[in-house]
Amino acid sequence: AQSVAQPEDQVNVAEGNPLTVKCTYSVSGNPYLFWYVQYPNRGLQFLLKYITGDNLVKGSYGFEAEFNKSQTSFHLKKPSALVSDSALYFCAVRENSNDYKLSFGAGTTVTVRA
Amino acid sequence: SAVISQKPSRDICQRGTSLTIQCQVDSQVTMMFWYRQQPGQSLTLIATANQGSEATYESGFVIDKFPISRPNLTFSTLTVSNMSPEDSSIYLCSVLGRSEQFFGPGTRLTVL
Repeated sequence: AQSVAQPEDQVNVAEGNPLTVKCTYSVSGNPYLFWYVQYPNRGLQFLLKYITGDNLVKGSYGFEAEFNKSQTSFHLKKPSALVSDSALYFCAVRENSNDYKLSFGAGTTVTVRA
Repeated sequence: SAVISQKPSRDICQRGTSLTIQCQVDSQVTMMFWYRQQPGQSLTLIATANQGSEATYESGFVIDKFPISRPNLTFSTLTVSNMSPEDSSIYLCSVLGRSEQFFGPGTRLTVL
């Protein structure tokens, strides 16, 4: 079975400060990990993914995430947050197999104050 | 990435009625998925819809309640049948890219 935990319901940061959104996962085999963002009244937008290779992956809008196998984590980061980054962020995982089903975390609401 | 559209974008329905949601993709895709996002909650997979075969439903979801069609590689429909207020959710379709899924804008359903 696969699962994702996002331990923080909300993250609040000031504009210009670093932003971190935490995610831990559980899978039987090798994980495929993803981050999505959802703006109000919008669908999910793909930010980045980890499949294999470098543990640090870079994605859209200046976001990056670090895969840590020993800690089973895939935290999302941005060095300098913008007010426009305020949204709902979802971490998702699936096993490296022919089963393409995603399991999503509960989501973390990010608020960046000016 | 694929461009995905859904119709309707939102609807308000009476209990006991049914609503069919359409999902259109601008390119041919093998795998399509339907998700439900209940108010304030995360996404839950309803079913996987592959062209030429019956949809595969997740635990807790049944074909009689959520019939799905996949007539070709660019289109799918999800019907929410015999609706109750508990079906009020955002329904999203997605398609499989190289390894990630891309999502449509969603259909916001309110059942009175």
